[in-house]
Amino acid sequence: QTVVTQEPSFSVSPGGTVTLTCGLSSGSVSTSYYPSWYQQTPGQSPRTLIYSTNTRSSGVPDRFSGSILGNKAALTITGAQADDESDYYCVLYMGSGIWVFGGGTKLTVL
Amino acid sequence: EVQLLESGGGLVQPGGSLRLSCAASGFTFSNYAMTWVRQAPGKGLEWVSTIRGSSTYYADSVKGRFTISRDNSKNTLYLQMNSLRAEDTAVYYCASPPGSGYVVPHDWGQGTLVAVSS
Repeated sequence: QTVVTQEPSFSVSPGGTVTLTCGLSSGSVSTSYYPSWYQQTPGQSPRTLIYSTNTRSSGVPDRFSGSILGNKAALTITGAQADDESDYYCVLYMGSGIWVFGGGTKLTVL
Repeated sequence: EVQLLESGGGLVQPGGSLRLSCAASGFTFSNYAMTWVRQAPGKGLEWVSTIRGSSTYYADSVKGRFTISRDNSKNTLYLQMNSLRAEDTAVYYCASPPGSGYVVPHDWGQGTLVAVSS
């Protein structure tokens, strides 16, 4: 079974730029996987940041952007702020109605 | 504004059953695919099931035990969970897509907790 891979943890300085990735244990991610990105803080429901690779959800600051970088989907945060410290999840469409989430990345801003 | 309100969670013994509901408002419910996603305590998100039109899809971990359905007249999504196991313990979220032409989870409810324990 294909696994969706994410960095378990990442750290960024306030004001800095960080790129989180979403890959496959086998193969390359393309726009056909409709990668989407979610932000979640403890005790809260997920918040959608990006869907279909690079479409920003309403109300999401433009310092969050999505793309395909090499063989992975990517979420880039520019000008990181303290309240960006969260868990970030990606999801990929595997076909036949099946979606698979990555294991999540815990982002620390310090 | 999209609103999704889950209910029906609770404590159930292993092997038991539970039916979750998700009341939707703020969009034309009948035109939208709907999805259930769960999150075990301290763990990540896991896609559970999607219903799109008359088609249903399930994660391998719940196939044959869970059934997704909807009542468009009541704007309500359901998840019937049978033969529950300890590993089904999680917060269950319902989610709607960003538009009728999409399936990907976009708007989320607040979640309902299911605890499977003797």
